[in-house]
Amino acid sequence: EVQVVESGGGLVQPGGSLRLSCAASGFTFSDYYMDWVRQAPGKGLEWVGRIRNKANSYTTEYAASVKGRFSISRDDSKNSLYLQMNSLKTEDTAVYYCARSGSYSWCDPWGQGTLVTVSS
Amino acid sequence: DIQMTQSPSTLSASVGDRVTITCRASQTISSRLAWYQQKPGKAPTVLIYEVSSLQSGVPSRFSGSGSGTEFTLTISSLQPDDFASYYCQQYNSYPLTFGQGTRLEIK
Repeated sequence: EVQVVESGGGLVQPGGSLRLSCAASGFTFSDYYMDWVRQAPGKGLEWVGRIRNKANSYTTEYAASVKGRFSISRDDSKNSLYLQMNSLKTEDTAVYYCARSGSYSWCDPWGQGTLVTVSS
Repeated sequence: DIQMTQSPSTLSASVGDRVTITCRASQTISSRLAWYQQKPGKAPTVLIYEVSSLQSGVPSRFSGSGSGTEFTLTISSLQPDDFASYYCQQYNSYPLTFGQGTRLEIK
């Protein structure tokens, strides 16, 4: 079964840092691009960023709202995706989803999400 | 950035109804449009990709159409399991963007 599972969410103070992880299984992780998408409580979906595969030099793309604060990385040997979040703001409070994607591709499947709460 | 505008934001309908949700892009996105369904407390799942391709396992009452900047998701005969939120997404250019969502409610 193709599956992605997020972990690492929690409560963090404004200005703090947090690292989310996403474990993939059931597919050749190294072949795919991977995305992070978030959803603030009661709000819609917001794309956070993408990391390409090794064939595309692991290059990344980010939403303007997180560029310079968030960093996406991956470890193909561990079938894992990461989201390093620094300088967190209260408006970063959201459920964070990872999802498999590709070049000019939609997100599928999505993980169950992990909640990040930024509050003092 | 490409803005995706969905309408309506909320739709009240009954089991058996035919419903249509519209998504307009602020510029052309070729055929790079997907539709997702999200139920409360759950992750989104893809229904339609490339405007009109039905994801494996998705019931045939769901269909997508459109081109250029205007796209529609149609549910031909609503079933109880279809009451959920729906989002369109363009993946033609960065940043990828979603519509604001349509909440489909039971009338």
